[in-house]
Order: sequence, then structure tokens, then C-alpha cells
Amino acid sequence: DTGVSQDPRHKITKRGQNVTFRCDPISEHNRLYWYRQTLGQGPEFLTYFQNEAQLEKSRLLSDRFSAERPKGSFSTLEIQRTEQGDSAMYLCASSSEGTSGYRGYTFGSGTRLTVV
Amino acid sequence: AQTVTQSQPEMSVQEAETVTLSCTYDTSESNYYLFWYKQPPSRQMILVIRQEAYKQQNATENRFSVNFQKAAKSFSLKISDSQLGDTAMYFCAFMKHGIGGGSNYKLTFGKGTLLTVNP
Repeated sequence: DTGVSQDPRHKITKRGQNVTFRCDPISEHNRLYWYRQTLGQGPEFLTYFQNEAQLEKSRLLSDRFSAERPKGSFSTLEIQRTEQGDSAMYLCASSSEGTSGYRGYTFGSGTRLTVV
Repeated sequence: AQTVTQSQPEMSVQEAETVTLSCTYDTSESNYYLFWYKQPPSRQMILVIRQEAYKQQNATENRFSVNFQKAAKSFSLKISDSQLGDTAMYFCAFMKHGIGGGSNYKLTFGKGTLLTVNP
């Protein structure tokens, strides 16, 4: 297993365009998370899946944002009608409960979105 | 809601010396996890160390150790024998404990401390 993979690594888009990011978690992890990180800030929670069910969405996730995790495997995060304020690093992470207690997340390298 | 505060935006240390990064948090929960994550310039976040709040013993991982003061809601990270590869942004994070299904496993992060290790 190569860890959590995110694609693309970088995305530049024009304002108003739609973008979609993909995350492939560690295969045995049942939980998947999306976070957004802007410059000089810690990551902020966007949404969380347990298997294929989206269990929580942050208020940061406006109607222009949608996330899916079909079949409980990879996940996609789509942003419609992008705005300059959407420019950020989008981080994906996955986790599962271990026999010795919760071990924490494994993060991907992130997708850096620039809206021009 | 929980909050995590890292009061040191930047710190520097000489190679081989010891440095301590501060973190305080605010919560009404009694069971929770605390984490320190490292984000090197390549941007992938890596778990450094974790602490379960019900354990009084401070966690250690090789050169990394924490000073967990539950009553004071303080969770500092000590890095011993600093190495150039320790240069990174360090984030303190809080998670509500999952016992009894009471957690959504959501992390609340501080704003981070940029640590530079100088040769």
C-alpha cells in the first residue's frame, strides 16, 4: 500500500469553472476526510465519510461543494462555479480503528487549487 | 466546540539542541485524543505523536515527547537532539474520543508553529 493518494497535485482554473479532485485512501481504512488549508492556517474540516456514507459536512462546505465516496473506496470532491476564495490546499486523509486504539489519520499530499 | 491555540507562530533551534512547542486547548469533553502533526515543506502531514487524555503517562516517540497537563489543558511537544529534517510546520490537534460512538473522528487543528532547525 502506497498510502493516501490525491490527484491532481496542482490545479489552476478560471473563476466560474468546475473542478474535481480525487482521493484514494489506504485500502483497509473505512473513514475518509476532506480538509481545506489556506496559507498560514491549520487545516479546517470539510466533510467525513464512513464507508460510503457521508456522515458530516462542515458549514464551510457551501452548496457549490459536493463530495462522494462510491462503494466506500475512492472519494471525489467537486467545486462548482469556483471563486477566488476557493484557492487553497485540499487535503484528504483516511483512518481506521486499530487494535491498540485510534492511531490517527494518514494524510495525502494534497491538491493545491488556484483560482484565477 | 473545541479550540486549539498555538501561541508561537515561529521558532528556531540549533541542531542537536532541544526545543519545546506549546499548545493549549479548550474543551468540555473529558475523553479525547491530542496529536502533534508535522508538515514538512513537501506539504504531506505526518503524525508525530498522540496522547489519550485518560492516560496520565506522557507519550514518547524516540526524540519526541509531550508534556500533557490535563487540568491546565496544555499539550507541549519537546523535540530532543534536533535534526535538520525536523524543520517543518508543526500542528497541534484535538479529537473527541470515540468510546461509545461519541466521536466523528474530526480533528480540530491549531494554526501551527513553523520550526526551523539551524546547522
